[in-house]
Amino acid sequence: QVTLKESGPGILQPSQTLSLTCTFSGFSLSTYGMGVGWIRQPSGKGLEWLANIWWDDDKYYNPSLKNRLTISKDTSNNQAFLKITNVDTADTATYYCARIKAYVFDYWGQGVMVTVSS
Amino acid sequence: DVVLTQTPSTLSATIGQSVSISCRSSQSLLDSAGNTYLYWYLQRPGQSPQLLIYLVSNLGSGVPNRFSGSGSGTDFTLKISGVEAEDLGVYYCMQATHAPYTFGAGTKLELK
Repeated sequence: QVTLKESGPGILQPSQTLSLTCTFSGFSLSTYGMGVGWIRQPSGKGLEWLANIWWDDDKYYNPSLKNRLTISKDTSNNQAFLKITNVDTADTATYYCARIKAYVFDYWGQGVMVTVSS
Repeated sequence: DVVLTQTPSTLSATIGQSVSISCRSSQSLLDSAGNTYLYWYLQRPGQSPQLLIYLVSNLGSGVPNRFSGSGSGTDFTLKISGVEAEDLGVYYCMQATHAPYTFGAGTKLELK
């Protein structure tokens, strides 16, 4: 059974760094072809893909967030991470992680709400 | 970036009615290896998106066969053959052929 769960700080202030963790089970990020992606959704709005990390540690980022994103993984503990630097109110959203198998985002976590406010 | 245009933005249906949602891409989603990375997701109220269709027309695990996907190149369609109450929510198409991956703006399926 594949499950993913996101965790984060809940609230943070503008200019701080947002650190998110995706803890998963039912698959391994050391398996060929496997990946984890991060997607976010502002309240009442659509979905925005942020970044992927693959079994071979290859990484892809959405260039719209320029150099603010860093994705990483801890294969032995079944976790993936996303950092977003210099946040502002536009980064307020629900953040999801999802398993990627054969380029399909097939299982998603329940999401974690993040609010950026002074 | 690839723009995915979904129509309609809102769809009102009765239980048992068949409906279709269109997703048009600003460029072809067929890659050089012959794959088309087009997906459909349903987001029920208060829930995370769930996979319905992958690679244009393949049914996701556990997805009822009243859902079907079709299309090629730049034009894609999701069809629901006999809407049920549990199908209500927002439907999104997504492409992963071209980076950055992008989503359509969504189609809200409501009960008439």
